[in-house]
Amino acid sequence: EVQLVESGGGLVNPGGSLRLSCAASGFTFSNAWMSWVRQAPGKGLEWIGRMKSKTDGGSTDYPAPVKGRFTISRDDSKNTLYLQMNSLKTEDTAVYYCITQGYSTSKGSFDYWGQGILVTVSS
Amino acid sequence: QSALTQPRSVSGSPGQSVTISCTGTSSDVGGYNYVSWYQQHPGKAPKLMIYDVGERPSGVPDRFSGSKSGNTASLTISGLQAEDEADYYCCSYAGSYTYVFGTGTEVTVL
Repeated sequence: EVQLVESGGGLVNPGGSLRLSCAASGFTFSNAWMSWVRQAPGKGLEWIGRMKSKTDGGSTDYPAPVKGRFTISRDDSKNTLYLQMNSLKTEDTAVYYCITQGYSTSKGSFDYWGQGILVTVSS
Repeated sequence: QSALTQPRSVSGSPGQSVTISCTGTSSDVGGYNYVSWYQQHPGKAPKLMIYDVGERPSGVPDRFSGSKSGNTASLTISGLQAEDEADYYCCSYAGSYTYVFGTGTEVTVL
């Protein structure tokens, strides 16, 4: 059974940093493209970045709102995905989801989701 | 990148069919066959229901179907059931290795 468990969330001051982790199990993590999606309280979903598998180049891509502030990385030896968030703003307050991208479907979809972790940016 | 446009809410009686639209542009929905749909119950993580416009992942009932015409994709739920009451989001590849979600639609079973 695929499992994705996020950790590292919490309360952080505006301008601060936080690193989220996502522990993966139940599938071959090293072969998976991984993405992060967030959802602000009471709002819709927002894709915030993806990292390809190392065998596919390991490249990352981000949308404009987080580019230059957020960085995705992975440790395949630990089956763990990371999201480093710097220069946090109040509008970054959201539940953050770790997701496999196209592991059992196609690369254009997000097939397995973690339970999500809340990040609150507030003074 | 603007969010794809979905109706705020749709409703139907048990057994009826409802269709949710997802309108984008030629740079996203209209330009690629990478449209997916997600179901989200309150307090839960989203679940993939449709990928590549009209494909169903294993385990998703065939009551759920997807299609696309021009810049608008659609999700149809046939034979509506109480457990289908949830929020639904579309998503499309938007070029340059980016993805955009829809605004979300609340489905109510009357």
